[in-house]
Amino acid sequence: DAGVIQSPRHEVTEMGQEVTLRCKPISGHNSLFWYRQTMMRGLELLIYFNNNVPIDDSGMPEDRFSAKMPNASFSTLKIQPSEPRDSAVYFCASNWGGYDSNQPQHFGDGTRLSIL
Amino acid sequence: SQELEQSPQSLIVQEGKNLTINCTSSKTLYGLYWYKQKYGEGLIFLMMLQKGGEEKSHEKITAKLDEKKQQSSLHITASQPSHAGIYLCGAGGSQGNLIFGKGTKLSVKP
Repeated sequence: DAGVIQSPRHEVTEMGQEVTLRCKPISGHNSLFWYRQTMMRGLELLIYFNNNVPIDDSGMPEDRFSAKMPNASFSTLKIQPSEPRDSAVYFCASNWGGYDSNQPQHFGDGTRLSIL
Repeated sequence: SQELEQSPQSLIVQEGKNLTINCTSSKTLYGLYWYKQKYGEGLIFLMMLQKGGEEKSHEKITAKLDEKKQQSSLHITASQPSHAGIYLCGAGGSQGNLIFGKGTKLSVKP
């Protein structure tokens, strides 16, 4: 079975550029999560969708970050304009039931983002 | 807000040795997850614990949640190089979201 698929795996770009990260959750899962991982802060939740609707975006750092989930099989995380401090590994995860579920979240392999 | 503290931050052991990683919460845990992460890869789900005193095992890895449900331990018996990686504990936060500890980096010397 295919797991959570993220693209690209690596992204290097100059500050000020727009960055778009993509995620395909596991088929049948109705909840999708975007995380950011850095050495200093560890793994932090950015936003959580349930049935394609953003439920909790309290972790989104600022207005430069936006996320969409146009359908059950695709989500994007966009940074515009990007800044060097956005450099991190961004993970997408999915499960059935979201926060209230006992089902573990399944993670993609992440996108390693470097902003120069 | 709830926080998860993991100890130690890093660990180097000789192959064949046993080891323990701890995860301590500032509040009662309702669902404690253990994940493993290899460099450059995503998190792999290992186990979930919910009840006080619960213990689960998978191959040579055993995880336990204490009776007060504020601390969990992950024990690896007879470590192997394949056990190397970063181990993270995760738990339901006060907002219902999943929060994580900062991880324990395990290296196993052959």
